[in-house]
Amino acid sequence: SQQGEEDPQALSIQEGENATMNCSYKTSINNLQWYRQNSGRGLVHLILIRSNEREKHSGRLRVTLDTSKKSSSLLITASRAADTASYFCATVAIIQGAQKLVFGQGTRLTINP
Amino acid sequence: DGGITQSPKYLFRKEGQNVTLSCEQNLNHDAMYWYRQDPGQGLRLIYYSQIVNDFQKGDIAEGYSVSREKKESFPLTVTSAQKNPTAFYLCASSGGTAQAKNIQYFGAGTRLSVL
Repeated sequence: SQQGEEDPQALSIQEGENATMNCSYKTSINNLQWYRQNSGRGLVHLILIRSNEREKHSGRLRVTLDTSKKSSSLLITASRAADTASYFCATVAIIQGAQKLVFGQGTRLTINP
Repeated sequence: DGGITQSPKYLFRKEGQNVTLSCEQNLNHDAMYWYRQDPGQGLRLIYYSQIVNDFQKGDIAEGYSVSREKKESFPLTVTSAQKNPTAFYLCASSGGTAQAKNIQYFGAGTRLSVL
């Protein structure tokens, strides 16, 4: 089952604009993570936000977390063509007594030059 | 791709054939994972291993097998029982403080197709 669901599924913007992607999840979490995947490649960890944090920054990335709404957003400011990729949120679920990372279906971001 | 090597990059399977995907890491990580990704979809967990000589089934283990005889290696075998094996397979590892946070590091993937 999918713990995280991203919205929108696809997003296309012009270079220099900001891109916002949203993630909703179902159960309580310890942390929420965002990963990036370039086409045909593996995932790369971008940022982790703990359940007691509301906002976190890393370079041009800004992540917010609203545990009351069970949602998170990833903002990429001043987008570049190189930001074109799929972005996934991931949360930890307890399955069969073990902690496992559960990924959403991702948002496919296209930055047009 | 952070010290995790997957091979081959592309693999073709004939009907009734078992194929093995390699995953090697030099990060000294205890935990390793195998995921399957279908086009336009997220990742689904096939198998995971928290320590050498131990592994557990994930959400879609049927038709797959693994071994964890060495800390650095976690090969995945796609057996003939897997009727729809065409997908992108990703291996990941986690260790130390990253493992405590469940941060995972991924290989570049193997794309498996059926002939």
